[in-house]
Amino acid sequence: DAGITQSPRHKVTETGTPVTLRCHQTENHRYMYWYRQDPGHGLRLIHYSYGVKDTDKGEVSDGYSVSRSKTEDFLLTLESATSSQTSVYFCAISVLPDRGYGYTFGSGTRLTVV
Amino acid sequence: TQLLEQSPQFLSIQEGENLTVYCNSSSVFSSLQWYRQEPGEGPVLLVTVVTGGEVKKLKRLTFQFGDARKDSSLHITAAQTGDTGLYLCAGAQGAQKLVFGQGTRLTINP
Repeated sequence: DAGITQSPRHKVTETGTPVTLRCHQTENHRYMYWYRQDPGHGLRLIHYSYGVKDTDKGEVSDGYSVSRSKTEDFLLTLESATSSQTSVYFCAISVLPDRGYGYTFGSGTRLTVV
Repeated sequence: TQLLEQSPQFLSIQEGENLTVYCNSSSVFSSLQWYRQEPGEGPVLLVTVVTGGEVKKLKRLTFQFGDARKDSSLHITAAQTGDTGLYLCAGAQGAQKLVFGQGTRLTINP
């Protein structure tokens, strides 16, 4: 009912394999974000999008790529998964965060790289 | 280097007590937001403050934005077990993205 869903919710993958996480929204928000959450680090921005085919890097973008071919879908790809990418990944959507509009978060994807 | 520093990182108190969580930075923010996160879920927005000195109340929770828009506080009066969770502050600095503090894990004991 929140208008944003992430899939899968849980995934275990092997080192060196590519992995794609999906974020889908039904709110027609312009801005979409991928964060990772790790103990002691809070939420760190990986990549974000400000429109179809418009994306930019965040503070921890190395080893990740994104694509947004439709307003409603934002994909995060780990090109060759490493153990350091074991984390909980959150997608978020927003209207205009610097005007005070908050983020709506998905429920997260717990990724384990073995 | 954490752009937003939250303190304390962990807080465990008894039901009925009052508490304050702080969010500090050397940077100025156009707005500051507070989120609460429960295990296995994404953070949920509690409040946004945009004006220096602004105070907002949400039932037993009081949020304040510093006059210089560099810091904020969250005060909970008469804490309840349902207040248990991870509290995150986040600041907007333009470019339509937020930076988050590392969080305060709050436990309210019955």
